[in-house]
Amino acid sequence: AQSVSQHNHHVILSEAASLELGCNYSYGGTVNLFWYVQYPGQHLQLLLKYFSGDPLVKGIKGFEAEFIKSKFSFNLRKPSVQWSDTAEYFCAVNAMNSGYSTLTFGKGTMLLVSP
Amino acid sequence: DTEVTQTPKHLVMGMTNKKSLKCEQHMGHRAMYWYKQKAKKPPELMFVYSYEKLSINESVPSRFSPECPNSSLLNLHLHALQPEDSALYLCASSRQDASNNEQFFGPGTRLTVL
Repeated sequence: AQSVSQHNHHVILSEAASLELGCNYSYGGTVNLFWYVQYPGQHLQLLLKYFSGDPLVKGIKGFEAEFIKSKFSFNLRKPSVQWSDTAEYFCAVNAMNSGYSTLTFGKGTMLLVSP
Repeated sequence: DTEVTQTPKHLVMGMTNKKSLKCEQHMGHRAMYWYKQKAKKPPELMFVYSYEKLSINESVPSRFSPECPNSSLLNLHLHALQPEDSALYLCASSRQDASNNEQFFGPGTRLTVL
């Protein structure tokens, strides 16, 4: 079974600061990796995803993530955060079973950006 | 169409009520999922349907009863719920393709049990 670990439960930054949220996973097979964002009171939205190819993936709203296979990591980055980035961020790993996928989420990181 | 729709958006029910949550997708996905999400927690998998057959039931209480009438629809029937069942219920669907098995999530139904 796969597992996902997010390093920080809460992160507080000032606007324009750089962001890096850590995510490590454990799984013996091929995985697909995702970052989701959930704004206060809102539903889950996909930020970016990695299936194969270039390990540096770019997502919406200026976010990017780098897949480092040797470290089993998929850290999320943004060069300059905005107040509107205040949200809960979930890393997730998806493994394939017979006919369906099993998506495992990390516990989430709450990002608070102060203006 | 890359959308998963869920109805209703909000639901308030008493502990003796019977209600149903509905989910629909027209992406041709043959795997569909129900998740439960409590505030500030990640979604927790409840049920998985693959080709309209129940593949996973994550030890969910019998007061939650899933149904997959066809490949596009997924229902969650609710009966005799408890206040602790109040949560956001998310539906998702995916392809059966290991190279691209992204799960597409609906907006959720916010359920309050009084």
